[in-house]
Amino acid sequence: AQTVTQSQPEMSVQEAETVTLSCTYDTSENNYYLFWYKQPPSRQMILVIRQEAYKQQNATENRFSVNFQKAAKSFSLKISDSQLGDTAMYFCALNPYNTDKLIFGTGTRLQVFP
Amino acid sequence: SQTIHQWPATLVQPVGSPLSLECTVEGTSNPNLYWYRQAAGRGLQLLFYSVGIGQISSEVPQNLSASRPQDRQFILSSKKLLLSDSGFYLCAWSVGAGGNSPLHFGNGTRLTVT
Repeated sequence: AQTVTQSQPEMSVQEAETVTLSCTYDTSENNYYLFWYKQPPSRQMILVIRQEAYKQQNATENRFSVNFQKAAKSFSLKISDSQLGDTAMYFCALNPYNTDKLIFGTGTRLQVFP
Repeated sequence: SQTIHQWPATLVQPVGSPLSLECTVEGTSNPNLYWYRQAAGRGLQLLFYSVGIGQISSEVPQNLSASRPQDRQFILSSKKLLLSDSGFYLCAWSVGAGGNSPLHFGNGTRLTVT
């Protein structure tokens, strides 16, 4: 079975600080994609960052970066210089190669305080 | 540019009544289409996905059904709603399989079954 686990139901960080959200996954596939999605209070799901498993280099998107550890099946999200607008639910997701299904974790609620 | 429309935004229905949620995509052809449900405090659960007209894959046995009468139209239905059908329903699309194209989500429908 393929699973995604987010062990932190809630996190908080002060504005301008750095926070790391954890994600582990399990799959028997060698090729897959990993994603972080953000769901702000508006409930719109927004893609934050994507990582291809065959690429060793960690993906970055402005203040967002990942620490991808393939052997450990770990895919954490680091948010630098946190902003109030980063307050949201963050979902980690796994998409095995050549499938049409995205498997989501249960999410981490991040609160950014001024 | 591609856009996805999902309606209605909110819906309150009595137990035993029928349901029809509609989702349409513009600006792309032959997209993969998905229905997800997000229960309160939980992650996203894939309900149905479709890779083409009339092709529906069901992920979870349940009271719901899906149809794809046109290339860019995806409908979620129920003949008789249950209390347990309450939740937040998200439609999404992607192009291609295997995570090469991330999911793009609609704004969601909040369904309350009373």
